[in-house]
Amino acid sequence: DTEVTQTPKHLVMGMTNKKSLKCEQHMGHRAMYWYKQKAKKPPELMFVYSYEKLSINESVPSRFSPECPNSSLLNLHLHALQPEDSALYLCASSQGASGGRSYNEQFFGPGTRLTVL
Amino acid sequence: AQSVTQLGSHVSVSEGALVLLRCNYSSSVPPYLFWYVQYPNQGLQLLLKYTSAATLVKGINGFEAEFKKSETSFHLTKPSAHMSDAAEYFCAVSDPPAGGSYIPTFGRGTSLIVHP
Repeated sequence: DTEVTQTPKHLVMGMTNKKSLKCEQHMGHRAMYWYKQKAKKPPELMFVYSYEKLSINESVPSRFSPECPNSSLLNLHLHALQPEDSALYLCASSQGASGGRSYNEQFFGPGTRLTVL
Repeated sequence: AQSVTQLGSHVSVSEGALVLLRCNYSSSVPPYLFWYVQYPNQGLQLLLKYTSAATLVKGINGFEAEFKKSETSFHLTKPSAHMSDAAEYFCAVSDPPAGGSYIPTFGRGTSLIVHP
């Protein structure tokens, strides 16, 4: 299985709602990532989990809260978002550093299209 | 720190014509280089990657890229464009791992438009 899955595909939420995005991979990858992507722009890194520990937080506002319950799952909890947070949220995974140089590409999920009203 | 420059935010070609998407990188160490494609409303898909084994790298869907150290370039080519190639293309470079993971730096992207 070489797939990263993300749910839901689309999400519309108000500024006072609490919601969660989910990401799952069964490739045995030990690094997982959250990206935010605006239209016609490259993905912007938000968080990196390496071996289930948060290793990078790119100064993301606290209204975004990541969680890695186990090596296959990655969640992004959303609370009190702003309209400017509307974007495509992408999850990715990779082998991790111990996999060696030739296994360092990222595998991306299809994304969750988030609209904040 | 590494960086990537993709020349041209849009490239327009006719179906059957050569596709050339340009990417120049800056890296303080031997780089890891990638090309990703993103179709509308989808995630990014790896087209090909440079792992230093060979300077000419072949990828999926008939794409290939050549690593030229002297020019710090990794341009993407395809001999004959198909309508289905219309998408956003991202070049990416990553330095050796930080914190147990490889973090790519993406270029701004090039939108490939294919005319019938």
